[in-house]
Amino acid sequence: DIQLTQSPSSLSASVGDRVTITCRASQGISRYLAWYQQKPGKAPKLLIYATSTLQSGVPSRFSGSESGAEFTLTISSLQPEDFATYYCQQLNSSPITFGQGTRLEI
Amino acid sequence: QVQLQESGPGLVKPSETLSVTCTVSGGSITNYYWNWIRQSAGKGLEWIGRFHTSGTTTFNPSLKSRVTVSLDTSKNQFSLKLSSVTAADTAVYYCAKYGSGTYPYYYYGMDVWGQGTTVTVSS
Repeated sequence: DIQLTQSPSSLSASVGDRVTITCRASQGISRYLAWYQQKPGKAPKLLIYATSTLQSGVPSRFSGSESGAEFTLTISSLQPEDFATYYCQQLNSSPITFGQGTRLEI
Repeated sequence: QVQLQESGPGLVKPSETLSVTCTVSGGSITNYYWNWIRQSAGKGLEWIGRFHTSGTTTFNPSLKSRVTVSLDTSKNQFSLKLSSVTAADTAVYYCAKYGSGTYPYYYYGMDVWGQGTTVTVSS
């Protein structure tokens, strides 16, 4: 199975901060990586797919990029509603796997 | 806009079979890839498997021997059965749809999720 390692596991930040979350894959996954946001008691919400394509309706302060085997989710200016847990997911090969999550808190 | 709603038993006894149903509204169940995912405190998000209404299925090898999926197009529903459950199968179970477009389905991520149904395995 492809392992996805997210860092950091948790992150404290403030409204207006620029935040970066990293996801490293244990094997090549082409660009088939997605990012999700999950709030307590809710299902994950798709933010970005194919590494850097913003899902319809997602604010432009969210962006994704790649450098080698390392993928990055950036939130350019944190808003109060962005405090949540973020997961990466690889869709390149079966079984689909998720990172362990990054909890973003105030 | 497609919406998904899971329903399940809430409580299942060890060694029995867990059954969860996903009802699709706002669109047809046909011509999409559908997924089952579960989330537990101990293992995070775990993909169970996917299927297409044409009959193509792929399951997580870790669960494959215990998983069955079925489809009821007349009700716009699909179901997951997981046999021989243990406490380790206690989780929130989600159904989710792949996005779609001109690229292969795996390009798009999972764009629609149900709200999840909690299943506890306990005697």
